[in-house]
Amino acid sequence: AQKVTQAQTEISVVEKEDVTLDCVYETRDTTYYLFWYKQPPSGELVFLIRRNSFDEQNEISGRYSWNFQKSTSSFNFTITASQVVDSAVYFCALSERVRGNQFYFGTGTSLTVIP
Amino acid sequence: DVKVTQSSRYLVKRTGEKVFLECVQDMDHENMFWYRQDPGLGLRLIYFSYDVKMKEKGDIPEGYSVSREKKERFSLILESASTNQTSMYLCASSPSEGQMNTEAFFGQGTRLTVV
Repeated sequence: AQKVTQAQTEISVVEKEDVTLDCVYETRDTTYYLFWYKQPPSGELVFLIRRNSFDEQNEISGRYSWNFQKSTSSFNFTITASQVVDSAVYFCALSERVRGNQFYFGTGTSLTVIP
Repeated sequence: DVKVTQSSRYLVKRTGEKVFLECVQDMDHENMFWYRQDPGLGLRLIYFSYDVKMKEKGDIPEGYSVSREKKERFSLILESASTNQTSMYLCASSPSEGQMNTEAFFGQGTRLTVV
């Protein structure tokens, strides 16, 4: 079963629009981390944020914000006033508390911001 | 800054060749990972290692093996390359806090073409 689901395969928005990327996860652990990564056209994955399962406070960093809701097992990512440089593939990931564990990645959402 | 370096950015190999993909990290991380990335499939874990000489199969280990003789180096081996192994290969490393992986740091990727 897929542990991390990103239902949106591709999204296109016009510059300055807001856009939300959805992420739904599945785990039986009470302690886990959630992550978002950005993969620009150059190919290297860039870490954006890590969230601990015990901290449900929303986080804002500039134009980026993250909404973590344990009740719905979701960790959504919103870009406000999108820019062309935001065009990339975005991955959500989960890490559980097991030694020798792995990161579970979603299939990614490709975001295109049209000027 | 954490640096994860993959030995090649682009590689072209012939069917049946033995292929070595090398990955080195410079931050003394316990955990290292090999993923392959294909369009529409996201990142799929091939193998990971949480200690020297330790290895664990990921989701798609068939046709691959790995070696971790030193903490900083994690090699992916394609025993007999086939065309269906044409893909982008991503190496990552992560430290542990207690039993938790913190964020993964990725190399720049190796785009392998098997002809």
